[in-house]
Amino acid sequence: GQQVMQIPQYQHVQEGEDFTTYCNSSTTLSNIQWYKQRPGGHPVFLIQLVKSGEVKKQKRLTFQFGEAKKNSSLHITATQTTDVGTYFCAGRGRDDKIIFGKGTRLHILP
Amino acid sequence: EAQVTQNPRYLITVTGKKLTVTCSQNMNHEYMSWYRQDPGLGLRQIYYSMNVEVTDKGDVPEGYKVSRKEKRNFPLILESPSPNQTSLYFCASSFTGLSQPQHFGDGTRLSIL
Repeated sequence: GQQVMQIPQYQHVQEGEDFTTYCNSSTTLSNIQWYKQRPGGHPVFLIQLVKSGEVKKQKRLTFQFGEAKKNSSLHITATQTTDVGTYFCAGRGRDDKIIFGKGTRLHILP
Repeated sequence: EAQVTQNPRYLITVTGKKLTVTCSQNMNHEYMSWYRQDPGLGLRQIYYSMNVEVTDKGDVPEGYKVSRKEKRNFPLILESPSPNQTSLYFCASSFTGLSQPQHFGDGTRLSIL
C-alpha cells in the first residue's frame, strides 16, 4: 500500500541553526499537507501544496513539493525555541486516503 | 469559537468494557476522521466519513466502529477494548473531502488495562 516516509525521526539543533525535514511517498500524491504538533498538543495545519514543483513560504518556513509530486520538504531558517514540536507531512494518494508520515521531532538547544 | 470537541480527554478502563469517545464539530464540516497516535508510529487513520451516513475504513479499523448520523458528530466506539488499543486518539474535521486543512480536537488518551 501507499507509504509516506519522513526523515529524520528526531533532530536536535542549536537555536539559530537551520532545520529540514523530508517526506517521500511510494506513489504520486494529489497534494501534501504539513502540520505542527507542539508537545502535549494536537496537530495544527501549516500549509498545503498541490502543484508540481510548488514552493511556498511562511516567514522562516519554506515548503517544497517535488516535480514528480512524490516528495516534499519543510525548511526552517534560524530556528527559535517556539519552533519546538513534531512536524508531520500528510499525503493524499490516488485512493483519496490521507497517509501521515511518522513525523520529525525537533528539539532546540538554547 | 470554531472547534472540534472530544470527550473524554482521559479514560482508564478495563479490557472488554465497551466505551465511546465522542467527537463534535461546530464548523459545518462534511469530512470527519479518527486517528490514533502511538510513539514512533505517527498518526494512523482509523475511520473517516465524507458526509452523513457515509463512513469508510482507514488504515487501522480493526476493533473500532463509527457512526455518522448527524453532520456535527462522529463518535468512535470500542465494543470490546483490548490493551493494544491503549493510545492517544484524535478526531479531525475539514470542510469537504481531502484537499482541505484538517482541524484536530485536543485528543483523548485511552488506557485499557
